[in-house]
Amino acid sequence: GAVVSQHPSRVICKSGTSVKIECRSLDFQATTMFWYRQFPKKSLMLMATSNEGSKATYEQGVEKDKFLINHASLTLSTLTVTSAHPEDSSFYICSARDSRAGLGGYTFGSGTRLTVV
Amino acid sequence: SQKIEQNSEALNIQEGKTATLTCNYTNYSPAYLQWYRQDPGRGPVFLLLIRENEKEKRKERLKVTFDTTLKQSLFHITASQPADSATYLCALDTRNQFYFGTGTSLTVIP
Repeated sequence: GAVVSQHPSRVICKSGTSVKIECRSLDFQATTMFWYRQFPKKSLMLMATSNEGSKATYEQGVEKDKFLINHASLTLSTLTVTSAHPEDSSFYICSARDSRAGLGGYTFGSGTRLTVV
Repeated sequence: SQKIEQNSEALNIQEGKTATLTCNYTNYSPAYLQWYRQDPGRGPVFLLLIRENEKEKRKERLKVTFDTTLKQSLFHITASQPADSATYLCALDTRNQFYFGTGTSLTVIP
């Protein structure tokens, strides 16, 4: 089945630095990928829709200058948390859907636990 | 405002019983409704999808119903097992975007 690889799984960074998270579709092409953020014991909050070759669509309240999304190829989307602060600490997850599979669910990456110290 | 609520944050049931989880939504017009399982520290895993014109879908011990009039989906796990313990999320697919419910943490007690 479709596999989405997310890297790194865990990252600790200092306040003020930037962190890049990668999301790759391993065996299918994804023109659209989604980025979510999840707080402890809470549901996933859609941050943005990443579109290959064009600008990402951000949800209301999500700072586009802080959470930079680049979808330069059909198999890779990246989320860069710029000038990270402790309040950015969270679990970030990407997802994509393999359109070849017809109607089906989305495949999620295994998530990235970001801790800003 | 748009909301997707799963009206039990946590649910404990005895092994062998049927677990029933509820997903209610307002101000959405989903084309599909999906259910996912999420284990701690992991991404969600797709379980079942039901279309807006379908009433019921089954897969092994899982059953999903979808009532677009009530704006509600029910998710049933029959003959529940401790291994079914996880957080279950419903999600609405409006064709353009994809939104998750608040989630229900299910614990199956041996």
